[in-house]
Amino acid sequence: EIVLTQSPGTLSLSPGERATLSCRASQSSSYLAWYQQKPGQAPRLLIYGASSRATGIPDRFSGSGSGTDFTLTISRLEPEDFAVYYCQRYGGSPPITFGQGTRLENK
Amino acid sequence: EVQVVESGGDLVQPGGSLRLSCAASGFTVSSKNMGWVRQAPGKGLEWASVIYSGGSTDYADSVKGRFTISRDNSKNTVSLQMNSLRAEDTAVYYCARGGVVPGPNLAFDIWGQGTMVTVSS
Repeated sequence: EIVLTQSPGTLSLSPGERATLSCRASQSSSYLAWYQQKPGQAPRLLIYGASSRATGIPDRFSGSGSGTDFTLTISRLEPEDFAVYYCQRYGGSPPITFGQGTRLENK
Repeated sequence: EVQVVESGGDLVQPGGSLRLSCAASGFTVSSKNMGWVRQAPGKGLEWASVIYSGGSTDYADSVKGRFTISRDNSKNTVSLQMNSLRAEDTAVYYCARGGVVPGPNLAFDIWGQGTMVTVSS
């Protein structure tokens, strides 16, 4: 079983600050995505392939990492960025695994 | 407009069955990998099943042997047949499209609004 561990569980920051979210895999992963989910809404794809931004995603969102350690960075937080963020490993067996999520809250 | 719309969620008793449907528009489901992801109340995302563009299927261990994913190319829909339902299957079920390349095409770029399944007596 492949486990994705996201840290921190909750991150308290203010608009304008930089956010750094971590995702660590129990086994090396070639493909990693990041999603944003707001209350009552479906998840939205932000990053795929560890570092490629999905269509329409602002460039303040960036992804990096390889192997077992991945990072989502939001360079300057906007009020609409406060949400829950999930990482997802895809490819291999099992084909899809999600992390438990990081809640980004407005301080 | 490219979108997917789920339907079929309901209240069902433990041991019962339910069939969810996902209607796609703006693309053909047979050309994409299509998945079901669920989210229990107040919890995180859990992958349940996927049907690949080639027609093969995969399931999470938690639903294997109880759930069956299929597609109807003529109706451009994907379905999830859920049998032997348990309380722990209670969740919002999302249909999602694997739409980005390169790679295994399992990063989900289009999601539906979700349909609620409640398993309770």
